[in-house]
Amino acid sequence: LAKTTQPISMDSYEGQEVNITCSHNNIATNDYITWYQQFPSQGPRFIIQGYKTKVTNEVASLFIPADRKSSTLSLPRVSLSDTAVYYCLVARNAGNNRKLIWGLGTSLAVNP
Amino acid sequence: KAGVTQTPRYLIKTRGQQVTLSCSPISGHRSVSWYQQTPGQGLQFLFEYFSETQRNKGNFPGRFSGRQFSNSRSEMNVSTLELGDSALYLCASSLVGDNSPLHFGNGTRLTVT
Repeated sequence: LAKTTQPISMDSYEGQEVNITCSHNNIATNDYITWYQQFPSQGPRFIIQGYKTKVTNEVASLFIPADRKSSTLSLPRVSLSDTAVYYCLVARNAGNNRKLIWGLGTSLAVNP
Repeated sequence: KAGVTQTPRYLIKTRGQQVTLSCSPISGHRSVSWYQQTPGQGLQFLFEYFSETQRNKGNFPGRFSGRQFSNSRSEMNVSTLELGDSALYLCASSLVGDNSPLHFGNGTRLTVT
């Protein structure tokens, strides 16, 4: 099953674009990639999900290259409130036996 | 629509005791999963329930158990508590469908002394 690896921490400034990359070298054909955001003392919150190429919603974009061995979460024009931990998740669905592999999270600090 | 509700929010127990945590999923969500979160260890999967049946289990000792009721509410129990069980326990619910996003509660912070 795919192991997910992401940077432990990142620093940025308000107004910048932030890109967080997750490596999942052993990703399988049916695996989906999802990103979550977590603030202190709260549960993770869904940001975006994708299978291949590019997905965009109102808060982020997700870029997945053709080989799908990595994915990049892109946060446009971050603000102080985007300071949080971001988790990459690879999910394999095999009937009733769903496997979830979480990264250890990237702690993003947005500075004024 | 109300989110995932976990009770209690905080809990302090002593070694050897047992504890029961509760999770009420979002209305209409039939899948409930539990996670343990500790600093440096990220999210560790405990188990997942669907229609009152455990359909997946993580690598935790038998002291950790759970169940799901007919209304999809779920409980997890930890017996013979150890200091290392101190953690944030998170519950997540999702719709039927394996790629459905997880919706998390804010967790129960368990401290074992």
